[in-house]
Amino acid sequence: AQSVTQLDSHVSVSEGTPVLLRCNYSSSYSPSLFWYVQHPNKGLQLLLKYTSAATLVKGINGFEAEFKKSETSFHLTKPSAHMSDAAEYFCVLGGGSNFGNEKLTFGTGTRLTIIP
Amino acid sequence: EAQVTQNPRYLITVTGKKLTVTCSQNMNHEYMSWYRQDPGLGLRQIYYSMNVEVTDKGDVPEGYKVSRKEKRNFPLILESPSPNQTSLYFCASSSLTGSVRSNQPQHFGDGTRLSIL
Repeated sequence: AQSVTQLDSHVSVSEGTPVLLRCNYSSSYSPSLFWYVQHPNKGLQLLLKYTSAATLVKGINGFEAEFKKSETSFHLTKPSAHMSDAAEYFCVLGGGSNFGNEKLTFGTGTRLTIIP
Repeated sequence: EAQVTQNPRYLITVTGKKLTVTCSQNMNHEYMSWYRQDPGLGLRQIYYSMNVEVTDKGDVPEGYKVSRKEKRNFPLILESPSPNQTSLYFCASSSLTGSVRSNQPQHFGDGTRLSIL
């Protein structure tokens, strides 16, 4: 069975400092991985996706994530946090090349707080 | 503008009173799905549909029904709601075209907050 573990339920950083949101996955096949962001009272918005083309993936708003197969990790980073980054972030495991979106598995989310 | 629209956004109702949450997308997507979001549990899939008249159960289908009579619409029906169905619900859609369909990200609606008393 596949699973996603977001290692921190809450992360607080000061504005202007780096952000690290951790995600580990377990999958029996080559995975697709996504990071989504959810702002209050809004749906989930795609930040970036990994689909086996390149291990370092750049997304919107300065976020990026690195796929590390040996560590089964897909951590999300940003060099400098902005107040508008305060939101909940979800790591999502897709079905891989043999499956479609019907096999998505969501992490439990990490709430990011930015300290002024 | 490409979007997934859910209605209502908020609803407070009572146990046993049938309700329907509508979902519509304007992107001609084949795939649509319903999720519920509960604190500490992330999103869990209720039902999904790969195309018109094709639906299947997700991880938590009990107490819910869906239909897919048209490509753009995917309503969620609670025939006899109970308090344990109080939750935040999201509809999502995506395209199934392309060489690797799992690459297609899902587009989410803004959510429907249901309270069942």
